[in-house]
Amino acid sequence: GIQVEQSPPDLILQEGANSTLRCNFSDSVNNLQWFHQNPWGQLINLFYIPSGTKQNGRLSATTVATERYSLLYISSSQTTDSGVYFCAGRGGGSEKLVFGKGTKLTVNP
Amino acid sequence: GAVVSQHPSRVICKSGTSVKIECRSLDFQATTMFWYRQFPKQSLMLMATSNEGSKATYEQGVEKDKFLINHASLTLSTLTVTSAHPEDSSFYICSARGDLSYNSPLHFGNGTRLTVT
Repeated sequence: GIQVEQSPPDLILQEGANSTLRCNFSDSVNNLQWFHQNPWGQLINLFYIPSGTKQNGRLSATTVATERYSLLYISSSQTTDSGVYFCAGRGGGSEKLVFGKGTKLTVNP
Repeated sequence: GAVVSQHPSRVICKSGTSVKIECRSLDFQATTMFWYRQFPKQSLMLMATSNEGSKATYEQGVEKDKFLINHASLTLSTLTVTSAHPEDSSFYICSARGDLSYNSPLHFGNGTRLTVT
């Protein structure tokens, strides 16, 4: 199966700042998803984005499949954006969705 | 659409007992469901792939006799932690694919936090 690497592992921002989270994967993917895990453990599905660009409010994501990476942009961050962001990919001939280690985001007021 | 319901959300049990966790797809049929485990401050690790009507496929290092998976219908998969021990305490999350297409997103339940005393 594929390997998924996320960076940075930790990110601390002031409210209102913008940020970019990165996800690299070791092989081509046919499924890439970004999640936000809240303090209660719930995985909130942010984007299903095997390729291209999508936007949802202050969040947007871009996947460049040919270069095997995806980016999650958070603009005008709010304290409620705090939590762990995971990307997960499926590819390399496997049906398994493999998670990265996550980026822990802390947004301070 | 594509809602996955997981129950219970929290369970505390004593060592040696068994615990069953249910995962249901509420508004779609799921031929394949996946079970993940997450230790504190760590990522989600796939435990097994559950296919309706057949035996589950377990990842390397996961004891199939300890973590019994049953996928008896297109909307229900269960994970039973048998003879639970404190080291089995963890967060368990199930997921399902919303359609038969290989290239479709997975939808996740809200997870079950298991504490074994």
